[in-house]
Amino acid sequence: EVQLVQSGSEVKKPGESLKISCKASGYSFTTYWIGWVRQMPGKGLEWMGIIYPGDSDTRYSPSFQGQVTISADKSISTAYLQWSSLKASDTATYYCARHSFARIAVTPFDSWGQGTLVTVSS
Amino acid sequence: EIVMTQSPATLSVSPGEAATLSCRASQGVSINLAWYQQKPGQAPRLLIYGASTRATGIPARFSGSGSGTEFTLTISSLQSEDFAVYYCQQYNIWPRAFGQGTKVEIK
Repeated sequence: EVQLVQSGSEVKKPGESLKISCKASGYSFTTYWIGWVRQMPGKGLEWMGIIYPGDSDTRYSPSFQGQVTISADKSISTAYLQWSSLKASDTATYYCARHSFARIAVTPFDSWGQGTLVTVSS
Repeated sequence: EIVMTQSPATLSVSPGEAATLSCRASQGVSINLAWYQQKPGQAPRLLIYGASTRATGIPARFSGSGSGTEFTLTISSLQSEDFAVYYCQQYNIWPRAFGQGTKVEIK
């Protein structure tokens, strides 16, 4: 069974750094693209970017390029989303999700993590 | 960037009735279009991919159609568990994009 287990909720101050995680199990981590989706409070889903853990090929939405960094550690089947300097506008729930077919990015997300709530407030 | 526009924003439907949701892409995306369902406090769930293929375990009352720029999700007879927000997503062009969602509420 495919499982994506995300790290817990975070409360941070503006300007602080943060790295949240998504631990994958039940499939070959290195052969499926995995990505991140933002959902601001009461709002819709926003596609942030994806990574292919096999070679760390990464694609970002222009809206998030330079604002966040997506990475992966093959040795522990974990994907990450990190910020170097948080803003209040980064307050949101962040979901990791896996693409549905191996090696192919032209596929939907078929498995999702439970979400990580990030609150940024002074 | 491609823009996905869903309509209506809110759809009020009685249980047992059908619901038709629309999704329009600002550029053609072939059939690389998915629909997701999201309930409050839950992660989204994949319903339809390839514009018309139901994901594993999705009931037959959910159906999708369309290609290019116009897509439709139909729920043939709404059950209580179907009241939720539905999102379309194109996965043909970078960056991938979601629509803004359609909330299906009880009439």
